[in-house]
Order: sequence, then structure tokens, then C-alpha cells
Amino acid sequence: TQLLEQSPQFLSIQEGENLTVYCNSSSVFSSLQWYRQEPGEGPVLLVTVVTGGEVKKLKRLTFQFGDARKDSSLHITAAQPGDTGLYLCAGAQGAAGNKLTFGGGTRVLVKP
Amino acid sequence: GAGVSQSPRYKVAKRGQDVALRCDPISGHVSLFWYQQALGQGPEFLTYFQNEAQLDKSGLPSDRFFAERPEGSVSTLKIQRTQQEDSAVYLCASSLGDRGRGELFFGEGSRLTVL
Repeated sequence: TQLLEQSPQFLSIQEGENLTVYCNSSSVFSSLQWYRQEPGEGPVLLVTVVTGGEVKKLKRLTFQFGDARKDSSLHITAAQPGDTGLYLCAGAQGAAGNKLTFGGGTRVLVKP
Repeated sequence: GAGVSQSPRYKVAKRGQDVALRCDPISGHVSLFWYQQALGQGPEFLTYFQNEAQLDKSGLPSDRFFAERPEGSVSTLKIQRTQQEDSAVYLCASSLGDRGRGELFFGEGSRLTVL
């Protein structure tokens, strides 16, 4: 059982549509990170959020950290085929630094 | 090198064989992590090194798994008497700071298939 639950597990949309991926937990995290992983590659860091209620924007991607630091969301506006990939959230707890607990991932497919 | 390098990229082993997976972190990075990623799952923590010291091995699934980083640079993950459930991608990651502080950079992984 994953400590971090991601939903949905799979998302298929058309180019230009919006999408939201959720990451939920019953545990509090000192920080939460979002990664994107492409087939045959390692995960690549997109963003780190550390403050409850924090919102960060990275071009068409908007990341939000819940007030209680237990959940997060990733919203992509006007998705493009290049956004296709496995999106992973990962939480760090206390002094464990970057000993990360990963969610199960959301596989996103953006069709042209 | 420019990034984290792992070898071999692909390894097929017969059940019962021993395997060794190598990780070359980014030069100067203090922290090194090993993760295991089963098909369709997120990565799961195996072990953590700070320089040559293995500070956390709580994620190693059994005593068949052993990791070392003798000179605080290259690391090797060894799996003895491989079992089919060991089939997974093994990811190595490094970061500049201690306790994994700073951005974590992942290698491309070593995909292990145990027949």
C-alpha cells in the first residue's frame, strides 16, 4: 500500500484539454515534489513545494500544496503531446531529507 | 560525468544467479540513493549513503540485497540468488547536500529481469 495515493492512475486526453492529477495522504510531509518520468528514463524533478497552501506555476503547469501539507495537485492547462509521461508525487518527512516516499504515479497520454 | 550513470541498462538473470548493478553519481555529490521501481509502480526507497557511510538500509527487502559505496563515489547494488520478484528497474539518484538535501538527480535505471 502506497503512503501517497495518486489519482487517477491513467489519463488520456486530447491536445488542448486541461487535466488535474491528485496526490493524497493521511501523513504530513515537510515538502512534496513532483516528477515526470518518460519510458526508459529516470524521474526528472518538476517542482518542490514546502509551505502549506503554496501554489507554484511552471509555464502551463500549476502545483498546489494542501494547507495541512498532506495533499497536492498538479494542473496542466492546454496539454500538449510533449506533456505525455508518468507523473509522480513524492513526499519527504522531517529530518529524512530527500528519503522520498513516492506515489504510484499517474500515466498521462496527450493525443494530438 | 554530466549526469548519473547506471550500468548495465538491461540485465537478464536466471533465478538463483547473483547480479551487480553499478551507479556513477554526479561528481561531488554527497548523497546517493537506490530505489526499486516495479512495473507500473512508483519508485520505492532501498538505501541511502552519505559519502561512504550507509546511513539507512531500511528499504532493502531481504538480506540477499547488499549495497556499498566504498570510496564515497561509485556505488554497487548486489542481489544474491535472484528471485523472480526481484524483477524491476533499479534507480540510482544523487544530490549535492548531505541527507539528500538539494535537487535529486536520477539515473536512467537498470532494468533487471529474472527468468
